[in-house]
Amino acid sequence: EAGVAQSPRYKIIEKRQSVAFWCNPISGHATLYWYQQILGQGPKLLIQFQNNGVVDDSQLPKDRFSAERLKGVDSTLKIQPAKLEDSAVYLCASSFSTAGSYEQYFGPGTRLTVT
Amino acid sequence: SQQGEEDPQALSIQEGENATMNCSYKTSINNLQWYRQNSGRGLVHLILIRSNEREKHSGRLRVTLDTSKKSSSLLITASRAADTASYFCAGTDKLIFGTGTRLQVFP
Repeated sequence: EAGVAQSPRYKIIEKRQSVAFWCNPISGHATLYWYQQILGQGPKLLIQFQNNGVVDDSQLPKDRFSAERLKGVDSTLKIQPAKLEDSAVYLCASSFSTAGSYEQYFGPGTRLTVT
Repeated sequence: SQQGEEDPQALSIQEGENATMNCSYKTSINNLQWYRQNSGRGLVHLILIRSNEREKHSGRLRVTLDTSKKSSSLLITASRAADTASYFCAGTDKLIFGTGTRLQVFP
């Protein structure tokens, strides 16, 4: 089966610019996650969707980050305006269910550099 | 928080040796997962162990779980250079990762 797709793979922007990332989960996976991974750290959950509803966005900096999953399939994550500290890899993952027994499948990530 | 904290932070071994890394977590979990992340690549799921299991095997991987101590261990036997990666643990209800164990396997 096809894995989680993300685009772009790399993005370089200047601070205060905006950027958007796209994710297409594995077909049939109801749950979609966005993580931020800063160099040398583990991934940090930004937002979790169940179908097209938000389950958890407690760590999403809502003043500048937004995410949507309108049709319950693919999703976009936006940063506006970007700050230097947003430089990181943004990982998308999906799972069949939010139930704890299901593993998450991760995409290759988008590496964002903010200059 | 179900955040996992991996120990040691870094581990260097020779090919053929065994590698053991540990994970401690703070709150009760239903299940625990281990992931691997190679340099420049995404996270790959390795193994899931349920809270009612004490030990689980998958190929060269052996995972233990001690819910009373809120800890887990991952053993990689007969390591290979391709095992060089960072290893993370996380509770499955809400994946909150620690900083990982960076494993370096020398040929």
